[in-house]
Amino acid sequence: EDQVTQSPEALRLQEGESSSLNCSYTVSGLRGLFWYRQDPGKGPEFLFTLYSAGEEKEKERLKATLTKKESFLHITAPKPEDSATYLCAVQYNDMRFGAGTRLTVKP
Amino acid sequence: DGGITQSPKYLFRKEGQNVTLSCEQNLNHDAMYWYRQDPGQGLRLIYYSQIVNDFQKGDIAEGYSVSREKKESFPLTVTSAQKNPTAFYLCASSPSGPGSKPQHFGDGTRLSIL
Repeated sequence: EDQVTQSPEALRLQEGESSSLNCSYTVSGLRGLFWYRQDPGKGPEFLFTLYSAGEEKEKERLKATLTKKESFLHITAPKPEDSATYLCAVQYNDMRFGAGTRLTVKP
Repeated sequence: DGGITQSPKYLFRKEGQNVTLSCEQNLNHDAMYWYRQDPGQGLRLIYYSQIVNDFQKGDIAEGYSVSREKKESFPLTVTSAQKNPTAFYLCASSPSGPGSKPQHFGDGTRLSIL
C-alpha cells in the first residue's frame, strides 16, 4: 500500500538550532510532493510543491528538497513563530498525507 | 481576499442527529474536497468533487454525504450512521487542469458529540 511517513513525530528545538524534518514515501508514479504548515485549530497553509528529484524550494528560513524516495524540510535558525505542525502530502492518483511533525521552538 | 470559508467553527451533535458542515470558496476552483483529521493520523479523504453535480467517495465515505449544486459550495452532512464523528473536518479546493496542483484549505470545523 502506498504510504507517506513523517519523522520525527515531534521535535523540540532551541531558537537558532537548525534541523530537518523528513517525509518518506512508497508511492510510485509521483506527480507532486507538497509541504504544509498547520497551526493549532487552523487549516493547513500551503508552503511548497516539489515535482522531481533534485528540486529545491526556499522560503525565509525553510528549504524543501526532494529525492526519489523522500523529502526534507530544512529549518535554518528557527524562531518561536516557526512552531507548528508540518504536513507532507504526496500526489499520485490522489493525495496522501503524512501524520505530520509537531515542531516546537523555544526562545 | 480569496479563500475558503468553513462554518461553523465548532459543532455539537446529539445522538441520532444529522448535522451539516458548510464550505464555501471564492477561488474559482473546480475541485473541492472534504477531509477528516484525527490526532496522530494523516488527513483522510471523505468525498471529493471535480465538477458541479458530480462527486466521488474517498477512503472513509461511510456515514457521510455531500452535494455539489454550485461551484462555490460543497456542504458535508455527517449522518447518524457515522458512529464516531468526533474529529476536525477540513474542506479544501484546487484548480483543475494539467499537472499537480496544491490544495488550499479552510480553517476547519471541530465536531463533538453531546
